[in-house]
Amino acid sequence: SQQGEEDPQALSIQEGENATMNCSYKTSINNLQWYRQNSGRGLVHLILIRSNEREKHSGRLRVTLDTSKKSSSLLITASRAADTASYFCATAMNSGYSTLTFGKGTMLLVSP
Amino acid sequence: NAGVMQNPRHLVRRRGQEARLRCSPMKGHSHVYWYRQLPEEGLKFMVYLQKENIIDESGMPKERFSAEFPKEGPSILRIQQVVRGDSAAYFCASLEPTALNEKLFFGSGTQLSVL
Repeated sequence: SQQGEEDPQALSIQEGENATMNCSYKTSINNLQWYRQNSGRGLVHLILIRSNEREKHSGRLRVTLDTSKKSSSLLITASRAADTASYFCATAMNSGYSTLTFGKGTMLLVSP
Repeated sequence: NAGVMQNPRHLVRRRGQEARLRCSPMKGHSHVYWYRQLPEEGLKFMVYLQKENIIDESGMPKERFSAEFPKEGPSILRIQQVVRGDSAAYFCASLEPTALNEKLFFGSGTQLSVL
């Protein structure tokens, strides 16, 4: 079964608004990562947060991790039409050799 | 430094034929993952390989599917006697040997269509 589950499944906002996506997972993790996928393309890594971190920033992205609730959120501030894509969380359970397990993703539509 | 290269980009096969999907990882990367994606769904893990070694094939069906990553050349995902249910996008990803379980670099995928 999928380790990560994103919600909402789809999100539609206007340019300039903030977008928040959530990810829940089931077992202990070493790190959690967020990826972006444009239609018909491969995934692109956005940001990684380790199990001993609570918050991380990268440009307009802000990621939080709550290991007690086994959940993470991705916030995109001041969204742009170019942010339209699907966003996936992925979890790695171990350090070293580890399979990255992906959720089903949140489809974000940013309208001009 | 070229990214992860997958070919072909699109592959059409009739039921019962064989499909061979190729993946050349980024230069210096010795670990490769294969994932499968159905429309509107996330990626499902299939197999994790190191050069000349399968690390984890728990996501790959036992029948008809095989994968290899030889010492020289690309990683190959092979599907024998394809069926309509094999139609999907297949993605390969690689990572640095010094950054296991961290950032994956993905190819653009191979879209397999089985007629």
